[in-house]
Amino acid sequence: AQSVTQLGSHVSVSEGALVLLRCNYSSSVPPYLFWYVQYPNQGLQLLLKYTTGATLVKGINGFEAEFKKSETSFHLTKPSAHMSDAAEYFCAVSVQGAQKLVFGQGTRLTINP
Amino acid sequence: KAGVTQTPRYLIKTRGQQVTLSCSPISGHRSVSWYQQTPGQGLQFLFEYFSETQRNKGNFPGRFSGRQFSNSRSEMNVSTLELGDSALYLCASSLERQPSEKLFFGSGTQLSVL
Repeated sequence: AQSVTQLGSHVSVSEGALVLLRCNYSSSVPPYLFWYVQYPNQGLQLLLKYTTGATLVKGINGFEAEFKKSETSFHLTKPSAHMSDAAEYFCAVSVQGAQKLVFGQGTRLTINP
Repeated sequence: KAGVTQTPRYLIKTRGQQVTLSCSPISGHRSVSWYQQTPGQGLQFLFEYFSETQRNKGNFPGRFSGRQFSNSRSEMNVSTLELGDSALYLCASSLERQPSEKLFFGSGTQLSVL
């Protein structure tokens, strides 16, 4: 079975600082990995995904993530935080043969002015 | 192109009642999935429908059911509501049913059970 662990339920950074949200996964078969963002009172929106190929994935709004198989990690980063990045971020995994996402518990990102 | 539409946006029910939630996927999308979101359990997969057939089901009791119509619209039903069913129910659609595919989520239906 697949699982996802997001380290830190709350992360707070200053505007302009580096954003680093951590995600580790467990899967016995090659995973597909996703980061979704949820703004208040809204559904989830895809930031980026890793399927195969290049391990550094670039997404929307300046976010990127690197798939590291040896560390079973898929951490999300952004060089410079904006106030508009304040939201909840979810890491998720799916695998071939299982048309469903398994989500981590989420990380709430707060941006300080 | 319109996004995923979920109705109603908010619902208040009492224990023992039943409820039906509706989801209209993006035009042309054939796969519809449902997720339950709660502060304690996070986001959990309920079920997935494709071409009017349930293809995958999560670990929820039989009180949770759903269906998909020929136009890909989907409904989910919860019977004999319990307090613990209070949650945000999210519907997501995708073009096909590949595990690598992007899901498009609706804004959800917030269900409160009193």
